[in-house]
Amino acid sequence: GIQVEQSPPDLILQEGANSTLRCNFSDSVNNLQWFHQNPWGQLINLFYIPSGTKQNGRLSATTVATERYSLLYISSSQTTDSGVYFCAVEGYGGSQGNLIFGKGTKLSVKP
Amino acid sequence: ETGVTQTPRHLVMGMTNKKSLKCEQHLGHNAMYWYKQSAKKPLELMFVYSLEERVENNSVPSRFSPECPNSSHLFLHLHTLQPEDSALYLCASSQEPVVTYEQYFGPGTRLTVT
Repeated sequence: GIQVEQSPPDLILQEGANSTLRCNFSDSVNNLQWFHQNPWGQLINLFYIPSGTKQNGRLSATTVATERYSLLYISSSQTTDSGVYFCAVEGYGGSQGNLIFGKGTKLSVKP
Repeated sequence: ETGVTQTPRHLVMGMTNKKSLKCEQHLGHNAMYWYKQSAKKPLELMFVYSLEERVENNSVPSRFSPECPNSSHLFLHLHTLQPEDSALYLCASSQEPVVTYEQYFGPGTRLTVT
């Protein structure tokens, strides 16, 4: 099946810094989503981005489908950005609705 | 309420107990999902329902029994669980169970099996 690798596994930032999180996937995808899991376990949709670039406030994401990777940019980080960021994909011919998750990037933003 | 809700948020149960997790979505979606998140492992899809019919079962042990009485409600019935079943159980929904629709997640039920 499709493999999803996220990097880095852990990231510590000072408040106000910028960061880039990466998601590599092993095959062509129809669906790619970025999620933020807060310390209470809630998964929050950030982007639905199988290709192209999107921006939402301080966050933006780019997926280069032909090269099988996606990037999540966080600018001017805040302590509330702390948590785990997951990339999840679904490949062509995959089982219905079967999002495959990476292991996540754990982000800690220090004041 | 809006979005996807789950109850209870926390559950502690013994290995001989029977309990149920509940999920409700207020988004008018047709597909619902159960995921399991164990410590240090990626989220794993357990079940997919489309219009109350199960369309995917990822080799989940029979001690987990899903039920979808209508397109807004999803249950996960638990019986004779093992300590390794302790995890965060997440419910999600999407407009349809196909790749082109976003999935939206509930807050999860943190289950501890003693």
